[in-house]
Amino acid sequence: DIQMTQSPSSLSASVGDRVTITCRASQSISSYLNWYQQKPGKAPKLLIYAASSLQSGVPSRFSGSGSGTDFTLTISSLQPEDFATYYCQQSYSTRAFGGGTKVEIK
Amino acid sequence: QVQLQESGPGLVKPSQTLSLTCTVSGGSISSGGYYWSWIRQHPGKGLEWIGYIYYSGSTYYNPSLKSRVTISVDTSKNQFSLKLSSVTAADTAVYYCARDSLYGDFPIFDYWGQGTLVTVSS
Repeated sequence: DIQMTQSPSSLSASVGDRVTITCRASQSISSYLNWYQQKPGKAPKLLIYAASSLQSGVPSRFSGSGSGTDFTLTISSLQPEDFATYYCQQSYSTRAFGGGTKVEIK
Repeated sequence: QVQLQESGPGLVKPSQTLSLTCTVSGGSISSGGYYWSWIRQHPGKGLEWIGYIYYSGSTYYNPSLKSRVTISVDTSKNQFSLKLSSVTAADTAVYYCARDSLYGDFPIFDYWGQGTLVTVSS
């Protein structure tokens, strides 16, 4: 089974900050990596698919990069509505999620 | 617009079987092209993929749960279901159903139900 490890598990940031979240796969998953945002009491929402493709309707301040085993989600200028938990998810071999990164207000 | 809705008991006794159904509207399960997944989230924790089913009935389960999980599909009702046997308090979670689609060659979860909390307690 492919294991997904995210870091950090939480971070504190201010509005306008640049935020970077990393995700590592236990083996190569090519570009089969998606990023989701989840707010309390809600289902996750797709932000990025295929490692770097922006889902329709998602603000351009979100971007993804990486391939193989190492991936990054970047928020270029954090907005108030971006405080949430972010999950990576691999779809190379069945499905698995990372442990999540909670982005909190500093 | 595709919508998914989970339903089932919110309270299950230890050692019993948890049973949930996901009703799909705005699209037909039997049209093919999608997998239909169950995902759970323990309180305050991350997401755990449980398994998926194709309209034909083929399934794949998370190996960590495989011995206790059964996912089935009823295309006549446009529903798919989850059964998790021999539950314990560790199975207390919010359970989501989701559609597993292909964007080009890349699978993604594009539609989700709202989630339903299942508590395992006597």
